[in-house]
Formats: sequence, C-alpha cells, structure tokens
Amino acid sequence: GNSVTQMEGPVTLSEEAFLTINCTYTATGYPSLFWYVQYPGEGLQLLLKATKADDKGSNKGFEATYRKETTSFHLEKGSVQVSDSAVYFCALGPRYSGGSNYKLTFGKGTLLTVNP
Amino acid sequence: EAQVTQNPRYLITVTGKKLTVTCSQNMNHEYMSWYRQDPGLGLRQIYYSMNVEVTDKGDVPEGYKVSRKEKRNFPLILESPSPNQTSLYFCASSQQGVNQPQHFGDGTRLSIL
Repeated sequence: GNSVTQMEGPVTLSEEAFLTINCTYTATGYPSLFWYVQYPGEGLQLLLKATKADDKGSNKGFEATYRKETTSFHLEKGSVQVSDSAVYFCALGPRYSGGSNYKLTFGKGTLLTVNP
Repeated sequence: EAQVTQNPRYLITVTGKKLTVTCSQNMNHEYMSWYRQDPGLGLRQIYYSMNVEVTDKGDVPEGYKVSRKEKRNFPLILESPSPNQTSLYFCASSQQGVNQPQHFGDGTRLSIL
C-alpha cells in the first residue's frame, strides 16, 4: 500500500536559517504529492502540491520538487521566519480519478520551531 | 466565509456513552472525510464520503460510524466510546476527492475516560 515517511522532528532553527524537511514515499502508479501545514490550534491547510514528476510546487517561499527517481518530495525554504513555526505534513494522493481517488495518506508530521 | 465547522471543539466523556461530532461545510463540496491525529502517528483517515449517501472506510474505521444524508453535513458517531478513541479529530472537505485542496475544520479534542 501507499506510505509516506518524513523526517523525525522536532526541528528547531533560528530566524533566516535554511530549512529542509525530508519526505519519501512508496506508492503504486503515479501519485500526487502535497505538503500541508498545521499552525498551533488550527486545522491543516494546503501549502503546496505537485502532480507529476519534476513538477515544483511553491508557496509562501516554500518549495518542493517531485523526484520520481528518488521517490522524494523534500520541503525547502531559504530563510525561515518565526511565523513559520508549525507542524508540516507530507501527503500522497492517487493521481487518477476513480475509487482510489478518495484516500489521502499522511506522514507523521514534523514540528518546526523558529526562534527569533 | 468558506469554512468547515466542527462541534464540539472539546469534549470529556465516559466509556460507553454514545456521542456525535458534527461537521458542516458551506462550500457545496462533494467529498468529506474524517481523520484522527495522534502523537507519533500523524493523521489517519477514519471514513470518507464521495457524495450524499456514499461513504467508505478509511484506514482506521473500527468503533466509528458516519452518515451523509445531506451534502453539507458529515457527522462522526461513536456508538460506544472507549479510551483508545481519545484523540484529536479533524473533518475535511474538497470539491471532488483528495487531489484537490482539502479544507480542514479546527479540530475536536475528545477525551474518553
């Protein structure tokens, strides 16, 4: 079955540091890949997505590139801010419609804390 | 404002006392789902619904029931709650399926004593 593995947290950085959160996946076929972010006390919200190999998703300074050869979708940001402190989830969804289009598989989440 | 509303936000109850967590969305979305979030386990899908009267099991459906009688509502029912169902629960919706952005509620924290 499908699975997502992301780096264990917590991750603590100083403001303006470079961020990488690793995510690898196992899936049949050609999945779509997502990063969701959960700010304290809130539900998850979509940060970025990529639907095919070599696609780069980007939003709010975050980027992730869909690497089929390494089955990875690592999240990066060049300069983090205190307001980026949150839990980040990598997720996988089937690319094509049909019965399997209805199950989203999440990683365990990575807590990021950015200090001033 | 587009939103997914869950109620209650917090509940402490006892083993065996039936409870319902409501979920309502105002975006006319076809797809709705329930997740539970546990430390070290991330989010796991409980049930999902592709449209009115169409539901299916996720990865951890045991001990839960759902119904989808109206498009906007997708309640989660715990017929006989047990302590291992103590968790943070999220409802989510999207226009169609998981390849579109999921809109999440703010969560319901359940404690079963």
